[in-house]
Amino acid sequence: AQSVTQPDIHITVSEGASLELRCNYSYGATPYLFWYVQSPGQGLQLLLKYFSGDTLVQGIKGFEAEFKRSQSSFNLRKPSVHWSDAAEYFCAVAQSGGSYIPTFGRGTSLIVHP
Amino acid sequence: DVKVTQSSRYLVKRTGEKVFLECVQDMDHENMFWYRQDPGLGLRLIYFSYDVKMKEKGDIPEGYSVSREKKERFSLILESASTNQTSMYLCASSVGQGRTGANVLTFGAGSRLTVL
Repeated sequence: AQSVTQPDIHITVSEGASLELRCNYSYGATPYLFWYVQSPGQGLQLLLKYFSGDTLVQGIKGFEAEFKRSQSSFNLRKPSVHWSDAAEYFCAVAQSGGSYIPTFGRGTSLIVHP
Repeated sequence: DVKVTQSSRYLVKRTGEKVFLECVQDMDHENMFWYRQDPGLGLRLIYFSYDVKMKEKGDIPEGYSVSREKKERFSLILESASTNQTSMYLCASSVGQGRTGANVLTFGAGSRLTVL
C-alpha cells in the first residue's frame, strides 16, 4: 500500500527567505506525486504534479519540486516566500498502475513572519 | 469559475440528527470523493464513486453513507450525527480511471460541520 510522510507539522520562515517542505513516500513502483495547498478556510488547490520525465517539476505560484527516486522523496521548494504563501501544504502519492486514488500526507503548516 | 461546489460552508447540528452534505461538480467528471480533514490527521477518504449509482468505501466509512443519483452530484449522509463527526468535509472530483489526469483531484471549498 502507498503511504506519504510529511515529517514537519509546522514550518516557520521569514518573508523573502527560501523554503523547502519535505515529503517522503512509500510505493514499490514509480509513483504519481502531487503537492496541494490549502489556504485558510478553503479547499485544496493543486500546486504541481509529477507523472514521469524531468524530475524537477515547476508549479504555480513560483513553487517547484524535485523527485528523487533514491531517497523516495518529493520535496517542495520556493526561493523566496511571500506572506501570502502562509497555508497548509499537502503531499500526495498515487499508483502509476491500478488505483487512481491518491493518498495524502498529514500536511505541513507554513507560517510566514514579516 | 467555481467547479466543485459544496452547498453548505458551515453547519451546526445536534447529536442524533440526520445530516446531508451536498456536492456538485460542473466538469463532467466520472469520479467523485468525500474526504474528512482533521488537524494532524490530514485527509482521510470516506467514500468515493466512479460512476452514477456506484460507490466504494474508503478508509473510514463507518457512520457515513453516500448517494450518487446523477453524474454531477455526490451526497454524503450522516444517518445519526455524533460529536466525533465534528470535522471539515471536503468533496473532490476527477476524470475517469484510465484517462489522463485521473489522479488529479479538484476540490470544493469544504463544509465545516459541528455536532453538539
